[in-house]
Amino acid sequence: QSALTQPASVSGSPGQSITISCTGTSSDVGGYKYVSWYQQHPGRAPKLMIYDVSNRPSGVSDRFSGSNSGNTASLTISGLQAEDEADYYCSSYTRSNWVFGGGTKLTVL
Amino acid sequence: QVQLVQSGAEVKKPGASVKVSCKASGYTFNIYGITWVRQAPGQGLEWMGWISAYNGNTNYAQNFQDRVTLTTDTSTRTAYMELRSLRSDDTAVYYCSRGEFSSSSAYYWGQGTLVTVSS
Repeated sequence: QSALTQPASVSGSPGQSITISCTGTSSDVGGYKYVSWYQQHPGRAPKLMIYDVSNRPSGVSDRFSGSNSGNTASLTISGLQAEDEADYYCSSYTRSNWVFGGGTKLTVL
Repeated sequence: QVQLVQSGAEVKKPGASVKVSCKASGYTFNIYGITWVRQAPGQGLEWMGWISAYNGNTNYAQNFQDRVTLTTDTSTRTAYMELRSLRSDDTAVYYCSRGEFSSSSAYYWGQGTLVTVSS
């Protein structure tokens, strides 16, 4: 199973908005509404930020939003804050399995 | 509160096996499945497989199909991941996790177990 494609890095200044893309195929991202996004700080376990494309778990800031178009899912973070600096991973359900993206390092300038 | 507590770090030689445990608390164990994910040093997340704590059904990633076995012990509320024929590129942090809102996402995570494979 091939990994989903994410940009290696993105950056933005505090207060700005950024979008991280996650490109798959019709067998994963495009075929199911089961895309999730995780935030991971160094040395920590991942944290679920978005599930089922666009749903936020309770306690996750509404600055985080998810969407999907065709075979590409996106995570948008608005009003960037210093604590948003982390690695972000997308994942998608696919034929009884999951597949992750390669990860995107977000730098808050 | 829901907790997943994993066993401690392991050092293994190439060709050996490792068994990592994940003890659950704070919820009815057999209602949720357990997903295992690993992360090699400086690398991304890799899905290994999933096991139902209700009936023991499993789904394995193709990359691990012939080397990994997931099991659960409902009497001790513990899930296990056994990986055989270890290679140096199996050096990674291994995480157990559990969904909450969707069976296709992991909300609760264990603290991770570092497995080092070295001769």
